[in-house]
Amino acid sequence: KQEVTQIPAALSVPEGENLVLNCSFTDSAIYNLQWFRQDPGKGLTSLLLIQSSQREQTSGRLNASLDKSSGRSTLYIAASQPGDSATYLCAVSRTSNTGKLIFGQGTTLQVKP
Amino acid sequence: NAGVTQTPKFQVLKTGQSMTLQCAQDMNHNSMYWYRQDPGMGLRLIYYSASEGTTDKGEVPNGYNVSRLNKREFSLRLESAAPSQTSVYFCASTLQETDTQYFGPGTRLTVL
Repeated sequence: KQEVTQIPAALSVPEGENLVLNCSFTDSAIYNLQWFRQDPGKGLTSLLLIQSSQREQTSGRLNASLDKSSGRSTLYIAASQPGDSATYLCAVSRTSNTGKLIFGQGTTLQVKP
Repeated sequence: NAGVTQTPKFQVLKTGQSMTLQCAQDMNHNSMYWYRQDPGMGLRLIYYSASEGTTDKGEVPNGYNVSRLNKREFSLRLESAAPSQTSVYFCASTLQETDTQYFGPGTRLTVL
């Protein structure tokens, strides 16, 4: 059974720091991996999607990497800002890719001014 | 485009009552999903619909039914609500199953 783990559960950093959020999964047979952002009381917003054949994706200050063989993904946030404060979730889809996502429990990030 | 919309935003039910959560998308997406989010459990898939006219069970389908009314709309029904169904419910959609999923704002349901 696929399990997705995100460590740490919470992180607090001063503004301007570069930071890395971690995601690990137990079954390397994935179709793709997605990173989402969730603000308090809101829905999820997609940040980056990495197909299983890709190693990384970049969008602005965000860079996500994928290492299928080791079952790991990282989300790198450069020059963090208070507006980056949110919960970040990673999710993997299964090999058959019906679109079914297995989510981690998220990392709650606080960026202090 | 409104994206994915959900109604209602909040609902309080008594044990045994029934209700339907509504979801609609205006992005001409083929696939739609219902998730629930609980503290310590993350998001879990309840049901999904790969295309109009098809539905299938997800990870936690017990106590729920769904209807893919047309391409735009996908509803979730609780026939006899239980306190264990207290949760935040999210609907999502995607053009193709390989693509990014777009989420609605959620429905916060409390069952007393």
